[in-house]
Amino acid sequence: GESVGLHLPTLSVQEGDNSIINCAYSNSASDYFIWYKQESGKGPQFIIDIRSNMDKRQGQRVTVLLNKTVKHLSLQIAATQPGDSAVYFCAENRYTGNQFYFGTGTSLTVIP
Amino acid sequence: DTAVSQTPKYLVTQMGNDKSIKCEQNLGHDTMYWYKQDSKKFLKIMFSYNNKELIINETVPNRFSPKSPDKAHLNLHINSLELGDSAVYFCASSQNVGNEQFFGPGTRLTVL
Repeated sequence: GESVGLHLPTLSVQEGDNSIINCAYSNSASDYFIWYKQESGKGPQFIIDIRSNMDKRQGQRVTVLLNKTVKHLSLQIAATQPGDSAVYFCAENRYTGNQFYFGTGTSLTVIP
Repeated sequence: DTAVSQTPKYLVTQMGNDKSIKCEQNLGHDTMYWYKQDSKKFLKIMFSYNNKELIINETVPNRFSPKSPDKAHLNLHINSLELGDSAVYFCASSQNVGNEQFFGPGTRLTVL
């Protein structure tokens, strides 16, 4: 079946370094993508979103890149901080169903 | 002033019992959801309600029955609980279908 997958289940980075979390999606009809951050014991929280008519969107310390040709999404976190340690999910919205499908998540650990 | 709240936070029960999880949102959103997150952090949508009407019902056993008394509430009732029902259940809401979702803190269900 179709799925939203992540290339790396875990990622460890040194504090202050940049982090890149990748996500592959398989449905070319998906037109809206969201990155969520889930801290331990909490629900997912919105970080940044991007629509399929864009290939890059920037927020505060975060950038999302969308490559529709290879159906790939990435989240870049600049100057990673200990508070960034969490599980990160990409979610794709499939227009026909208007619901979000979540990937399996990447666990980011920031080493002080 | 919590945006999306769930009760209880923890639920431990025996196989075969019936239990309910309550969800309330004070954001004025039209759409509410229930997700199940397994031990590997995979988030899967179960139900979606828009203006108190069911719009998505993924492949979920009919032991699970959502109830939406009004737009601000979406409760989840589970009959004849099974071991495999053990998971964290998240409620979420969005302004409308296909918009950014706001998640509750989750309910950890343990079936013994």
